[in-house]
Amino acid sequence: AAGVIQSPRHLIKEKRETATLKCYPIPRHDTVYWYQQGPGQDPQFLISFYEKMQSDKGSIPDRFSAQQFSDYHSELNMSSLELGDSALYFCASRLSDTEAFFGQGTRLTVV
Amino acid sequence: DAKTTQPPSMDCAEGRAANLPCNHSTISGNEYVYWYRQIHSQGPQYIIHGLKNNETNEMASLIITEDRKSSTLILPHATLRDTAVYYCIVRGDNYGQNFVFGPGTRLSVLP
Repeated sequence: AAGVIQSPRHLIKEKRETATLKCYPIPRHDTVYWYQQGPGQDPQFLISFYEKMQSDKGSIPDRFSAQQFSDYHSELNMSSLELGDSALYFCASRLSDTEAFFGQGTRLTVV
Repeated sequence: DAKTTQPPSMDCAEGRAANLPCNHSTISGNEYVYWYRQIHSQGPQYIIHGLKNNETNEMASLIITEDRKSSTLILPHATLRDTAVYYCIVRGDNYGQNFVFGPGTRLSVLP
């Protein structure tokens, strides 16, 4: 069965650089979520989209932005990267009122 | 604000049933109880969810008390691969509402 695909799986960036993380939801899923998980922490909600419109917003820094495209894939754009942005970034998708399925994540390391 | 309370850690012998409790005393009538687990830095994995009735699938059983203020996730025959952090999440049925990961239970299955 198709799963949530995230790319890249690993990314190394320098401070003050920008990064773009991509998420390809399960086909026909209409909702996408982004989460950030720092070392030793629980996943923290960043932002979500339902039918390509932003539906909820969590603790997402102003330096980050995200969007969902017409083909339902989503991108998380991160600018002016800081050391503290080093984390696992998970994307999840779901169809209407069902459970959410998570991708394997992108490990971002800022040096 | 955390909607659920779970013990920080539990041990279980391999082959025995693992019973993971969760308190959600402020749960609303339209909120579901979801269980996810995360195996070391992998994406959270959906296990099961329910509203008021007990549920069972190929992975686990979910027992929800009649007053819905607590629930128990049961892994009937725990294996070493079940070692993970288990999250109990209470979530409403609004499309945009996200999944809030609070401190879960670190389950260690011992040989």
